Amino acid sequence: AQKITQTQPGMFVQEKEAVTLDCTYDTSDPSYGLFWYKQPSSGEMIFLIYQGSYDQQNATEGRYSLNFQKARKSANLVISASQLGDSAMYFCAMREGYSGNTPLVFGKGTRLSVIA
Amino acid sequence: NAGVTQTPKFRVLKTGQSMTLLCAQDMNHEYMYWYRQDPGMGLRLIHYSVGEGTTAKGEVPDGYNVSRLKKQNFLLGLESAAPSQTSVYFCASTDSGDNEQFFGPGTRLTVL
Repeated sequence: AQKITQTQPGMFVQEKEAVTLDCTYDTSDPSYGLFWYKQPSSGEMIFLIYQGSYDQQNATEGRYSLNFQKARKSANLVISASQLGDSAMYFCAMREGYSGNTPLVFGKGTRLSVIA
Repeated sequence: NAGVTQTPKFRVLKTGQSMTLLCAQDMNHEYMYWYRQDPGMGLRLIHYSVGEGTTAKGEVPDGYNVSRLKKQNFLLGLESAAPSQTSVYFCASTDSGDNEQFFGPGTRLTVL
């Protein structure tokens, strides 16, 4: 069974609008972390945001916020005020366990295209 | 502070050839990982290491070997390359308490 599911292969958004990228996860471990990475066409993996399973508040980093709904096992990424430079692949990932040594499990990604 | 570096950036191999990909990090991280990225598949874990001298298999380890002789280096070897190993390979590292895995720039490998 997939541990990370990203159901949107591609998304379009108008510049300056907000967009939500969906991510659902599956784990029986009470301790886990959720990550979002951005991969522009140049290929590098850029860390965007992290949410721990015990964090009470949704994580925010500038224009990025993570809509964490624990009971629904969802960790959607919200990008506010989209910019042309936000066009990229976005990957949701999960790390099970409290320790930092557990490898990440990635979803298949969502390609976001920002339209002027 | 270079972060995570990968050598080489690009490589073309013929079927049956061998090669080694080098990952180096200067952040004194304990944990290092090798992933491969194929179109439509996201990143999949090949092997990882939780410390110098240790290695463990990931989701797709067949056809690869790894070594972590020094804390800062993690080597990925292909003994007999196959076209199915055509991919982009990413190395990453992290440490206890880090809420981020730091990725290298990737190596694009083509096996003909």
